Amino acid sequence: GAGVSQSPRYKVAKRGQDVALRCDPISGHVSLFWYQQALGQGPEFLTYFQNEAQLDKSGLPSDRFFAERPEGSVSTLKIQRTQQEDSAVYLCASSSAPDYEQYFGPGTRLTVT
Amino acid sequence: SQKIEQNSEALNIQEGKTATLTCNYTNYSPAYLQWYRQDPGRGPVFLLLIRENEKEKRKERLKVTFDTTLKQSLFHITASQPADSATYLCALDSGGYNKLIFGAGTRLAVHP
Repeated sequence: GAGVSQSPRYKVAKRGQDVALRCDPISGHVSLFWYQQALGQGPEFLTYFQNEAQLDKSGLPSDRFFAERPEGSVSTLKIQRTQQEDSAVYLCASSSAPDYEQYFGPGTRLTVT
Repeated sequence: SQKIEQNSEALNIQEGKTATLTCNYTNYSPAYLQWYRQDPGRGPVFLLLIRENEKEKRKERLKVTFDTTLKQSLFHITASQPADSATYLCALDSGGYNKLIFGAGTRLAVHP
């Protein structure tokens, strides 16, 4: 498929577990974004990559959150020692250039019990 | 602080009517504004982008206006259909590389 894909679609973690969420952007897209979306709210920016460089991580809520994109394509968002407040949908988006529309994946719904 | 407001209550309209959604912002000077559609369980889908020097933009049954003096964008769907029922998100660029700040969205329900 030509769209952005994310895996897993659903993840249930016990409090304190580490999780890794994967994003496959559209091939050739330079820009990659991670967002967190709580129920009934709009997506909130977490971090931004241009190719493999993480240029902005100002939205990451704590140092338990870590993102990487080592080869400038696939990206992983890792959350260590998950807490209940981490429960949300995590969205990935890619874009071919600044000022262009963003293409979103379907999201990963994380539930921390 | 920076703030984006969209109609918090759901908008219910009759099929065939025009739906108008509002996006107001404060403490921003965005270079452009985007509108997205989001269906339950899915990621947002891009609809329209309007730049600060554009007053209005159209795409098929969709129309967006952008008033930088009022700090407001209006999103219109003409001849609405039940298939238009979804949540519509307004997003502003916060400078630089297309970092978007989203509103909470407005849920639209079009009834046959």
